[in-house]
Amino acid sequence: NAGVTQTPKFQVLKTGQSMTLQCAQDMNHEYMSWYRQDPGMGLRLIHYSVGAGITDQGEVPNGYNVSRSTTEDFPLRLLSAAPSQTSVYFCASSPGVGYGYTFGSGTRLTVV
Amino acid sequence: RKEVEQDPGPFNVPEGATVAFNCTYSNSASQSFFWYRQDCRKEPKLLMSVYSSGNEDGRFTAQLNRASQYISLLIRDSKLSDSATYLCVVRGGGADGLTFGKGTHLIIQP
Repeated sequence: NAGVTQTPKFQVLKTGQSMTLQCAQDMNHEYMSWYRQDPGMGLRLIHYSVGAGITDQGEVPNGYNVSRSTTEDFPLRLLSAAPSQTSVYFCASSPGVGYGYTFGSGTRLTVV
Repeated sequence: RKEVEQDPGPFNVPEGATVAFNCTYSNSASQSFFWYRQDCRKEPKLLMSVYSSGNEDGRFTAQLNRASQYISLLIRDSKLSDSATYLCVVRGGGADGLTFGKGTHLIIQP
């Protein structure tokens, strides 16, 4: 099993550009979520999904969209990149409540 | 108000020593509790779940006190490879997904 796969690993965007961070898992996990990690702030929840077709906002959702058309995929879309979105983004999946999440290796995004 | 509070450290500990971390959480409806480990520039990795009855995995022991909303981690016979940031994490009590503490940085010295 590959686990949770995130692409790309690194990305540089210009302010105002849009892009999609990809996340796929092959463990048939129902729960998936996106986090950003900033120095001094720790990891914060952006959006999460409890199954295909179901998504909801986390702590810091502004500027990001998600969709969950399949169990395997949970892409994160940046609508109009801003320098404040420079961060490391992690995708994670979990088999259910009471279990931990397994994380992907992250995407390092810089917005200039 | 931060929902999960941890001492950021760093904790500088000699190899072979025992070290203890703790954290507190504010959401009494939280349902699941974990310790994660994160190495520099890597993703968080699940170290262990935490239960009220206490649980042990080799050199690691974790404990949850729901009444005090307090979580602890004990590392015995510490190794150089234990050097990392340890993240206290809770799940549930509203939105799904995880709520992280900012982490405790541990440095094991030879």
